[in-house]
Amino acid sequence: GDSVTQMEGPVTLSEEAFLTINCTYTATGYPSLFWYVQYPGEGLQLLLKATKADDKGSNKGFEATYRKETTSFHLEKGSVQVSDSAVYFCALRYTGGFKTIFGAGTRLFVKA
Amino acid sequence: ETGVTQTPRHLVMGMTNKKSLKCEQHLGHNAMYWYKQSAKKPLELMFVYSLEERVENNSVPSRFSPECPNSSHLFLHLHTLQPEDSALYLCASSQDQGRTDTQYFGPGTRLTVL
Repeated sequence: GDSVTQMEGPVTLSEEAFLTINCTYTATGYPSLFWYVQYPGEGLQLLLKATKADDKGSNKGFEATYRKETTSFHLEKGSVQVSDSAVYFCALRYTGGFKTIFGAGTRLFVKA
Repeated sequence: ETGVTQTPRHLVMGMTNKKSLKCEQHLGHNAMYWYKQSAKKPLELMFVYSLEERVENNSVPSRFSPECPNSSHLFLHLHTLQPEDSALYLCASSQDQGRTDTQYFGPGTRLTVL
């Protein structure tokens, strides 16, 4: 079945370090891919998305590229801040099923 | 402000109580969702409503009963819950069922069952 696999956390970085959170997926069709972020005490919110192969989503300094050949959608940021501390979820979504499949989430801690 | 509100934010209930969770979206969306978020488990989709009709029910125990009286409001009625039902319950909405549709989440209700 369809699935999303993320690197296990927590990931702990110092401020201004480079961030990569790996995400790979298994899909029978042609989904859109998303990164959602959940800050402490809040619900999830969209960070970025990509709807077709080779698209790059970007927002707030974060980027991810839809790689169909490697079935991956890795999240990157060049210089993290303390305020980026949160849980990050990779997800895929198809047309018609109302179903978004989420990864297990990766917790990021950024130290000052 | 995400446009999706949930009340209450925190709820403690005994196993014999009956309570309801409320969700309201101010985005004009057609689809609404209930998710359960437990520690160290992936998000679990519980129910989906589209234009007030239930379109998905993921084998959720009958002690959880959803209600969608209109496209802006969604309820989750709870009765005779178990301690393992303690979790964060998230409501979300999306414009439609398209593959590019973003889901907008509320802040959640933290439920503790004693």
